[in-house]
Amino acid sequence: DTVMTQSPLSLTVTPGEPASISCRSSQSLLHSNGYNYLGWYLQKPGQSPQVLIYLSSTRASGVPDRFSGSGSGTDFTLKISRVEAEDVGVYYCMQTLHTPLTFGGGTKVEIK
Amino acid sequence: QVQLQESGPGLVKPSETLSLTCTVSGGSMNNYYWGWIRQPPGKGLEWIGYIYSTGHTNYNPSLRSRVTISLDTSKNQFSLKLSSVTAADTAVYFCARAPSTAVAIAVDAFDIWDLGTMVAVS
Repeated sequence: DTVMTQSPLSLTVTPGEPASISCRSSQSLLHSNGYNYLGWYLQKPGQSPQVLIYLSSTRASGVPDRFSGSGSGTDFTLKISRVEAEDVGVYYCMQTLHTPLTFGGGTKVEIK
Repeated sequence: QVQLQESGPGLVKPSETLSLTCTVSGGSMNNYYWGWIRQPPGKGLEWIGYIYSTGHTNYNPSLRSRVTISLDTSKNQFSLKLSSVTAADTAVYFCARAPSTAVAIAVDAFDIWDLGTMVAVS
């Protein structure tokens, strides 16, 4: 299986400050078609996950532009330029290239 | 606006079959993948499998022997059956839609999710 390793496990951020989450995969997520099959999701407390970023760097519809994704191959990063109170929850990366599709263990983001 | 809604029992006895149905409203099932993901209480997310609108399926190998995902486009529904359940199958089950830029290669992401259904095996 493709193991997805996220860091840090948790993050406490002051509103208005930036935040960054790393995700590493045990296999390359770059397909020969040029796409990296890596997505980022936020699961707010008591809610279902919502996609933020897909194909490594494409922001999903309706997602604020303070969220950005980057990376290729096996190393990926989600950045929040200025954290807001509504950004609390658990962030997951997920690879969709290799079967089984797998998620990272999650990064819990709290507001200071 | 596409919405997904699950239906099915919240309690299943050990060794029996868990059955859930996801109804799609506000859009067509054509040219999308439709998947199931679960989350045990207090834990992370596990992909169960998905089905393309043509009927092609892909399952998590760890569950493959027990899982069947099917769809009925005439009813705008897709379903999950998980046989021989144990307490380890207790989880919140989500259904979700997945578009694909390169069909038959991979899904892009799961972009629309339902609220989830808690299923306990006991």
